Amino acid sequence: GESVGLHLPTLSVQEGDNSIINCAYSNSASDYFIWYKQESGKGPQFIIDIRSNMDKRQGQRVTVLLNKTVKHLSLQIAATQPGDSAVYFCAENGAAGNKLTFGGGTRVLVKP
Amino acid sequence: DGGITQSPKYLFRKEGQNVTLSCEQNLNHDAMYWYRQDPGQGLRLIYYSQIVNDFQKGDIAEGYSVSREKKESFPLTVTSAQKNPTAFYLCASSIRESTEAFFGQGTRLTVV
Repeated sequence: GESVGLHLPTLSVQEGDNSIINCAYSNSASDYFIWYKQESGKGPQFIIDIRSNMDKRQGQRVTVLLNKTVKHLSLQIAATQPGDSAVYFCAENGAAGNKLTFGGGTRVLVKP
Repeated sequence: DGGITQSPKYLFRKEGQNVTLSCEQNLNHDAMYWYRQDPGQGLRLIYYSQIVNDFQKGDIAEGYSVSREKKESFPLTVTSAQKNPTAFYLCASSIRESTEAFFGQGTRLTVV
C-alpha cells in the first residue's frame, strides 16, 4: 500500500520580519530549481527559479540562494506579509531534460 | 486567457466507481503531469506525458490511468483499483520537461 508521508514542517513568522525557507535536494546532477507557493485549496504558483550556474537570484521581495556544495536551496522573503502565508515547495529537475521532483514543502504562518 | 484548466473543482463519487478528471491547457505545452496531494503533505507524481500519444508512470501510478490523444488534453481516470482515492489532484504542464511547470487549480475528489 501507499506509505504515509510526513506532515509539513511549519515556520511561524511575525509580520514584517524576514522569512527563510530551506530545502535540501538529493540529486547532484540537478541544474534547475524552482520555488512554488501554494495557498489553501489552490494549485502551486511559480515564485522564482535558479539555474546551477548561479548561486543567487533576486525577485520582488524574494531571494533564492543555491549552495551546490551541500545541495541546499533556500528562499528568503523580505518583510513578510499576511498574504505570504502558504505552503512553499522547492523543485529540482534531477538532470537536464528530466521531469521536476518536488520537495515535501514548508508551511509559513504569518502572525499579525 | 491562456492557462491550464481542471474541472470540476469538487467531485464526489461512490466507492467502486471509476471517475475521470479533466485537464486542458491552451499554452501549447508539450509536457503534462498529474500529481496527487493528501492533506498537509507534498506532491506525488502519478503520471506524466512528454508528447502526444505517449505517457509514463510516476511514483504512484497504481489504480490510475491516463490518455494523451491531444496535445491540449490529459485526462486522469481514478479506477476502482485505487484503494484510497480521496485526495486533491493537480494537473500541470510545461513547455518541455525540466522547465517551469504551470499548475491548474486542482480537483478535490471525495469517494464515499
